[in-house]
Amino acid sequence: GAVVSQHPSWVICKSGTSVKIECRSLDFQATTMFWYRQFPKQSLMLMATSNEGSKATYEQGVEKDKFLINHASLTLSTLTVTSAHPEDSSFYICSASGLYGYTFGSGTRLTVV
Amino acid sequence: GENVEQHPSTLSVQEGDSAVIKCTYSDSASNYFPWYKQELGKGPQLIIDIRSNVGEKKDQRIAVTLNKTAKHFSLHITETQPEDSAVYFCAASQVGTSYDKVIFGPGTSLSVIP
Repeated sequence: GAVVSQHPSWVICKSGTSVKIECRSLDFQATTMFWYRQFPKQSLMLMATSNEGSKATYEQGVEKDKFLINHASLTLSTLTVTSAHPEDSSFYICSASGLYGYTFGSGTRLTVV
Repeated sequence: GENVEQHPSTLSVQEGDSAVIKCTYSDSASNYFPWYKQELGKGPQLIIDIRSNVGEKKDQRIAVTLNKTAKHFSLHITETQPEDSAVYFCAASQVGTSYDKVIFGPGTSLSVIP
């Protein structure tokens, strides 16, 4: 079946620094990748949609200059949280869309101190 | 845009009983309705899905029904087991369109009491 690998699984960073999260589709080519954010005891909220080689499309209220998305290939998308602040602490989850439908990564727990 | 509502937010059942979770969606153009199970600290796992051209689908103890006219869909889990305890999310998307993205409901925390 389709597998999406997300790395790192958890990260702690200092306020003001940047953090990069990687999302790879291991055994299929992902035409589209999605990034979600999930706060404790809440649902997954879509942040942005990206297609390989194109600029990402951000959902309303998501700062594109703060959450940089790069979809350089059909198997890799990255999310960079720039100038992170404590309120950016959350669970970030990627998803890849391909022949097998939508496949989700295991998530990255970001804590900004 | 699409809005998905889900009820109940929490559900406790005795082991062996059935559990039902109900969802509604707002956009009649949505054509794909997956259900996900999420355990603490993990990503969502697809447990069953249904497309708009089907009214019901079953996979062992899990079934999903879809009423396109009413824009309702439901998850049914029979013979519940303690390992079914988790948060369940319904979702909707428009596969094959420019709105091809999964929009999640708020979730249902299911507890199965041994």
